[in-house]
Amino acid sequence: AQRVTQPEKLLSVFKGAPVELKCNYSYSGSPELFWYVQYSRQRLQLLLRHISRESIKGFTADLNKGETSFHLKKPFAQEEDSAMYYCALLPGGGGNKLTFGTGTQLKVEL
Amino acid sequence: KAGVTQTPRYLIKTRGQQVTLSCSPISGHRSVSWYQQTPGQGLQFLFEYFSETQRNKGNFPGRFSGRQFSNSRSEMNVSTLELGDSALYLCASSWTSGRRNEQFFGPGTRLTVL
Repeated sequence: AQRVTQPEKLLSVFKGAPVELKCNYSYSGSPELFWYVQYSRQRLQLLLRHISRESIKGFTADLNKGETSFHLKKPFAQEEDSAMYYCALLPGGGGNKLTFGTGTQLKVEL
Repeated sequence: KAGVTQTPRYLIKTRGQQVTLSCSPISGHRSVSWYQQTPGQGLQFLFEYFSETQRNKGNFPGRFSGRQFSNSRSEMNVSTLELGDSALYLCASSWTSGRRNEQFFGPGTRLTVL
């Protein structure tokens, strides 16, 4: 069975500081990894996925298969980045069965 | 394009009752997945329906069931409600099932079991 671990429940940074939200996974096959974000009073939405290899809102994430990690990074935090971030894994074999981590609340302080 | 809609948004039930939640996917989407979100367990996958067939199922008891209609709308049913069923139930839709498909989430139905 697959598992996604986000070790930090809360991460507090100052505006302009670098951000790194950690995500580790365990899965024996080749997964697809995602970061979802939930802003206050909004629905859960996709931020980025590892296969896209793109930067969204300044965030990037690299899949490290050796360390089984998919950390989310941003060089300079903005106040509007404050939100709940979830790392999620989609296993191979078809279907849309996402396994989510427990989430990290990012708080960007002025 | 309208997003995923869920009805009702809030529900209060008592133990032993049953409840039906509804999800209308984005137009053209054929896959609907359901998730339960609780403070203790986080987001957990319940089941996925694709073209009216259950494609995947999570580790939930048989009291949790679902179905999908020919217009892709989906319902989930929880029978014999327990206090622990209190949660936010999210549904997500995607164009098809499997990799490289973005899942779009609805606002959720908040179920409270008294």
